[in-house]
Parts: sequence; structure tokens; C-alpha cells
Amino acid sequence: GESVGLHLPTLSVQEGDNSIINCAYSNSASDYFIWYKQESGKGPQFIIDIRSNMDKRQGQRVTVLLNKTVKHLSLQIAATQPGDSAVYFCAENYLWDSGTYKYIFGTGTRLKVLA
Amino acid sequence: SQTIHQWPATLVQPVGSPLSLECTVEGTSNPNLYWYRQAAGRGLQLLFYSVGIGQISSEVPQNLSASRPQDRQFILSSKKLLLSDSGFYLCAWSPAVRQETQYFGPGTRLLVL
Repeated sequence: GESVGLHLPTLSVQEGDNSIINCAYSNSASDYFIWYKQESGKGPQFIIDIRSNMDKRQGQRVTVLLNKTVKHLSLQIAATQPGDSAVYFCAENYLWDSGTYKYIFGTGTRLKVLA
Repeated sequence: SQTIHQWPATLVQPVGSPLSLECTVEGTSNPNLYWYRQAAGRGLQLLFYSVGIGQISSEVPQNLSASRPQDRQFILSSKKLLLSDSGFYLCAWSPAVRQETQYFGPGTRLLVL
């Protein structure tokens, strides 16, 4: 079936280094993607999004890259800080026949920042 | 700015008891509203979504129901809780204009004993 998955369930990064979290998607009809950050016991927090007509988008310390050829999405966090420790998951989105949007969520990658 | 609230934050209920979780959104009109369940170590499971007052679509057959009595209020209910209903329940909303983007609430941790 169609799915969104993550290659690395846990990623440990030294404080100050850059982090790269990856995500693969299989639905070729998906045209919108979001990265969420979820801290323990809290709801997911919107980080950054990207549409399929783009291959890169930058935010504050974060960059999302989209490679439609291989159906791959990545989140890069520059100068990783202890506050970045959380689970990160991606979501893909496509328009349903019913006129509403359908989301598929990945299970997440846990990012651990080492002091 | 828009905000989304959920309550209670945590709930411990005995098996067979009723459930009512509430979600409200502020700062927007006519949002799409969603209820998700998140099991430990798993992805989000869509339970219900609503595109307007009184309009509820169910994604999976289950022991739960949802209602939308007001434009910015979404309620998740059960008449009799099961042990398997335990989990982290998330409400989300998307703007009427840009429906692709979903924003989540703080969640309710439900433990059924």
C-alpha cells in the first residue's frame, strides 16, 4: 500500500552539528509535504512545508529538500541544539476525489542531541 | 493568530465508562477539524474529520463517535470505553482557504483501566 516511511528510527547528533532526517514516500499523487516536531507528551508542531513544484525550502535553521524523482524528503537542522531533541515525522498530502485532502503520516525519527 | 485547545490534558477512566474529549479552535472560521489517535511508537491514525457543523466522516469503525455542534468545536465521545481505547488523542484543524496544512492541538492522554 501507499505509505510514508523513515529510514532511521533514531538519530543521535552532537550539539552544534547539523542533523539530517530522511523520509520516503510512495504516493506519486502527493503534492504537498510537511515536517512536524513532536516533543514528549505534546502535540505535533508544524515546522516547515514544501509543495511539489519546489525542491528546496528554507526556514529558520531548517531546510526541507524534496526529490520527486526518487520520492524522497529530508529535513536538515543546522547547528542542532538540545531543544531540538524530539520525534520528527513527515506527512504527505494529496487531494481526494471527495474534494478534501488526505494525509499520510510517517511513524517518526527520534532525534537525540548529545551535549 | 489561531490557537487550538484540547481538554482535559490527561484522563484516567475505568473500562465501560463514557468519554467526552473537547477541542476548540480560536481565530479562524469554518475550519476543517480532525481527530487522531496516536499509539506509542506508531503513526497517527485518523479517526474522524469534519468540514462543517454537523458534518462528520468516520475513517475507521470503532467504539468512538464525534460531533461538531459549533463551527469551532469538535467533540470525541464514547458510551463505553474499552481498554484498547487508551492512547494519545490529537485534534487538528486546517484553514478553510488552505486546507492542506494541518495544525495540531496539545493532545489528551487517555488511560483506560
